[in-house]
Amino acid sequence: RKEVEQDPGPFNVPEGATVAFNCTYSNSASQSFFWYRQDCRKEPKLLMSVYSSGNEDGRFTAQLNRASQYISLLIRDSKLSDSATYLCVVILTGANNLFFGTGTRLTVIP
Amino acid sequence: EPEVTQTPSHQVTQMGQEVILRCVPISNHLYFYWYRQILGQKVEFLVSFYNNEISEKSEIFDDQFSVERPDGSNFTLKIRSTKLEDSAMYFCASNLAGGVGTEAFFGQGTRLTVV
Repeated sequence: RKEVEQDPGPFNVPEGATVAFNCTYSNSASQSFFWYRQDCRKEPKLLMSVYSSGNEDGRFTAQLNRASQYISLLIRDSKLSDSATYLCVVILTGANNLFFGTGTRLTVIP
Repeated sequence: EPEVTQTPSHQVTQMGQEVILRCVPISNHLYFYWYRQILGQKVEFLVSFYNNEISEKSEIFDDQFSVERPDGSNFTLKIRSTKLEDSAMYFCASNLAGGVGTEAFFGQGTRLTVV
């Protein structure tokens, strides 16, 4: 069973659209949650942490549902520069290593 | 802005040869990691390192792999006898205080090609 599951996409959306990505995690002992962004052949970079109460950073909103073991990322007013792979990342309680999902590929079209 | 640096950016090696991938973590960070990403697949954890010893490792990190912090700045990953399936992008990462709530910064990666 995969620790972190994501829809691989691809999601092709027009500029200005709103797009949502979902992620589920299998281990209820997971304690920390993140969304990372990875451009083609580049390293992952932290986009935002995900808090239980939900959090927003500009056009990006992250939500966590611990009961359903589900994380989401909403991107509003998509820009061409948002084109990337979005990685759902989880850390288990007592661990330090990151578990990555396979990522969801987003392409924003002019 | 401080960054994690990795060398070389690309390494081509023959099957069976030993390779050493090098990383310089951010200077005040305490936790160091190696991850790998086979082309088209997800990023996979290999090993974490803290206080001069391995703190966690995955099933991938078998006896062919080793890590070392030979001095105060470098953090290396050695693969003793490379296999074709070791071809991947290897990312080094570091953070200040372990996993909980602290950002892990990744280096730009070393692309290892085993031929």
